[in-house]
Amino acid sequence: DTEVTQTPKHLVMGMTNKKSLKCEQHMGHRAMYWYKQKAKKPPELMFVYSYEKLSINESVPSRFSPECPNSSLLNLHLHALQPEDSALYLCASSQPDSYPYNEQFFGPGTRLTVL
Amino acid sequence: SQQGEEDPQALSIQEGENATMNCSYKTSINNLQWYRQNSGRGLVHLILIRSNEREKHSGRLRVTLDTSKKSSSLLITASRAADTASYFCATVKGSKLTFGKGITLSVRP
Repeated sequence: DTEVTQTPKHLVMGMTNKKSLKCEQHMGHRAMYWYKQKAKKPPELMFVYSYEKLSINESVPSRFSPECPNSSLLNLHLHALQPEDSALYLCASSQPDSYPYNEQFFGPGTRLTVL
Repeated sequence: SQQGEEDPQALSIQEGENATMNCSYKTSINNLQWYRQNSGRGLVHLILIRSNEREKHSGRLRVTLDTSKKSSSLLITASRAADTASYFCATVKGSKLTFGKGITLSVRP
């Protein structure tokens, strides 16, 4: 299984809502990533988990809260978002043991709209 | 700041022609990767070239790397309509992947 799955595919939420994005992979990868991508822009790294521990936080606002409950799952909890947070949120995974030759496998993304 | 900068930013070619995309970067890297993205969906890894390699081939893809000029090129030969997508170079330093701005390739049937 070489697939990274993300749910939901689309999410519309108000600024006072709390929601979560989910990502799952069964490739045995021990590094997982969250990226944010605005329209016609490249993906921007938000968080990196390595062996279920947060290793990189790219100064992301605290209204985004990542969680890695186990080696296959990655969540992104959303609270009190702003309309400018509307974007495509991409999850990826890779095998950190292959560093520095770490090809990343991406999920299809969650299209988030904040009203 | 963006590490990779691709040019051209948009490219339109006829099916069967070759497409060449260039990427420049600013700092030292471990490796450089190219990804494809269709219609705002997930990215697909195309090819990786290590910092000590100069050229690599994979099917219709050829990538070159010139670390002295801090540049890379991706050549897609005999293009097909299905190659229409956005292409990103990404530089790797440590565990971080930093994407360039991307090139939109349109292949006309």
